[in-house]
Amino acid sequence: AQRVTQPEKLLSVFKGAPVELKCNYSYSGSPELFWYVQYSRQRLQLLLRHISRESIKGFTADLNKGETSFHLKKPFAQEEDSAMYYCALDFGNEKLTFGTGTRLTIIP
Amino acid sequence: DAGVTQSPTHLIKTRGQHVTLRCSPISGHKSVSWYQQVLGQGPQFIFQYYEKEERGRGNFPDRFSARQFPNYSSELNVNALLLGDSALYLCASSPYGGSEAFFGQGTRLTVV
Repeated sequence: AQRVTQPEKLLSVFKGAPVELKCNYSYSGSPELFWYVQYSRQRLQLLLRHISRESIKGFTADLNKGETSFHLKKPFAQEEDSAMYYCALDFGNEKLTFGTGTRLTIIP
Repeated sequence: DAGVTQSPTHLIKTRGQHVTLRCSPISGHKSVSWYQQVLGQGPQFIFQYYEKEERGRGNFPDRFSARQFPNYSSELNVNALLLGDSALYLCASSPYGGSEAFFGQGTRLTVV
């Protein structure tokens, strides 16, 4: 079955510390991979897309096909990074399958 | 650009009733998708429409239906509401039907 797993519901990190939000998936093919973010009282918005290989707000995400993971990383956390983060995959059918999300809290 | 707009913002309905949710995509976007997000979960795909035709349907009962109009706006209809239909309903638009989606603020539906 095609599945997206975000193992951490909650993650707290001190300001200035590195951040890693985990995302694992089960799929034998090559999905399109996304990270979406939802800041407090704002709509869900695209943070980054694997295919574009961009770094947005200092975040990067590396695809590890062997481990079927797409973890989101940032070297130095900032207070404004506190938000809900969702990993989402397109398994080739142009619909997004979301993980359950990780709430990231940056401790000042 | 106003982005994807959804109406109403909040809605309270009684079990057994019918509800219609509305979505206007970003100007120029021809595809609209609907997602249901229950508390504590990620959004779950319900429907995708592109150029007024259904392109995909998620694992939802036939009580859920949708359509897309010539101006690319869309409606999601839910019949015979159940308590379990209480959720945030998200609409997303994309230019050509791909999976890179731009989301609206959502409609919070409460079924009592």
